[in-house]
Amino acid sequence: KAGVTQTPRYLIKTRGQQVTLSCSPISGHRSVSWYQQTPGQGLQFLFEYFSETQRNKGNFPGRFSGRQFSNSRSEMNVSTLELGDSALYLCASSLGPFNGRANDEQFFGPGTRLTVL
Amino acid sequence: EDQVTQSPEALRLQEGESSSLNCSYTVSGLRGLFWYRQDPGKGPEFLFTLYSAGEEKEKERLKATLTKKESFLHITAPKPEDSATYLCAVHRGLGDYKLSFGAGTTVTVRA
Repeated sequence: KAGVTQTPRYLIKTRGQQVTLSCSPISGHRSVSWYQQTPGQGLQFLFEYFSETQRNKGNFPGRFSGRQFSNSRSEMNVSTLELGDSALYLCASSLGPFNGRANDEQFFGPGTRLTVL
Repeated sequence: EDQVTQSPEALRLQEGESSSLNCSYTVSGLRGLFWYRQDPGKGPEFLFTLYSAGEEKEKERLKATLTKKESFLHITAPKPEDSATYLCAVHRGLGDYKLSFGAGTTVTVRA
């Protein structure tokens, strides 16, 4: 069974540009979450989607947005890029609605490394 | 606000030298505590989820335990391939839908 896939794996952009990252969850998984990982802040939650609905959003500016499609694939978009947006962006999927029930595990993809120059 | 604190920040072990990593948390209504392993440049790899105090889970040389305030990840007779950053995260469950992570413990095992 294929794992979570993310594209592209590496991206270099300049300040002011925008970027779209893509995530394909494990087959059958309906919940997709996005996290940002930096050396200084560690892993921080961006947002979570289930059945095309955003159910939770982290403390990030409105430049960060996302969506989920009917096939559970998800995209996140960052507009007006800043140098501080350089990070590893991780997507994770879970089978169910990820509400803390037993066996409700979250599996991560390899990430997209975004560098903003 | 949820707080997850991992200690130590870094751990250097000799091959075969067992040790423990600590994850202490303050969160209301903990529904699950997750352990992940992360290799450089890769996404976190799921290891365990613990749901209630007293629960223990094992996988190869790793054993995770949970109390009401902290979790331990025991590494028994580690090998160089156990070198990685180990992350713990808490999930408050209903209505939360996210993991709150600690900063991680970087383990280096020397042959």
